[in-house]
Amino acid sequence: DAGVTQSPTHLIKTRGQQVTLRCSPKSGHDTVSWYQQALGQGPQFIFQYYEEEERQRGNFPDRFSGHQFPNYSSELNVNALLLGDSALYLCASSLPALNYGYTFGSGTRLTVV
Amino acid sequence: AQKVTQAQTEISVVEKEDVTLDCVYETRDTTYYLFWYKQPPSGELVFLIRRNSFDEQNEISGRYSWNFQKSTSSFNFTITASQVVDSAVYFCALSEPNNNAGNMLTFGGGTRLMVKP
Repeated sequence: DAGVTQSPTHLIKTRGQQVTLRCSPKSGHDTVSWYQQALGQGPQFIFQYYEEEERQRGNFPDRFSGHQFPNYSSELNVNALLLGDSALYLCASSLPALNYGYTFGSGTRLTVV
Repeated sequence: AQKVTQAQTEISVVEKEDVTLDCVYETRDTTYYLFWYKQPPSGELVFLIRRNSFDEQNEISGRYSWNFQKSTSSFNFTITASQVVDSAVYFCALSEPNNNAGNMLTFGGGTRLMVKP
């Protein structure tokens, strides 16, 4: 049973560019959340998607946007990249009820130069 | 607003020592969930335990044990007879379920545990 799959694993972008990160949830999960983890810090919640809609959003600017597809996979888009966007981006999937917990992927390491 | 504090940023022990990782949380809700995750160098967050706010029973799983005390808003994690493979960053997290409005996790800053042979 495949867990959460994220692509790419590593990415280097230039300031001002745009980036798209992808996530395939664990089989049977329909809710996808994205987290940003800066070096040496805990993950910070970006947003959560359920039924192809953004259900909850953390304290991130509109440069961060997302999408969920009918097959429950998801994309995270970041526009106008800043050096401070360099981080590990983690995707987590779950069922809507929190009782079932989250499964995390290994993340995409984004470096902005 | 919810908040999780892990005051210990880094702990170093020698193999076979017992070690306790502290976690203190803040929440206004009476219903919430607490988690511990392990993050090895590969980056993936590995789920260790989930506890809801109505279940204060301590739990033991092999060498791992958890002490949940609502009176002090703490959810501490103890590793008994530590091993080198326990070396990782450990995160405590809190969630306040909000029906149909998401259930984001709020993480602490993490504790880096180094177990030396």
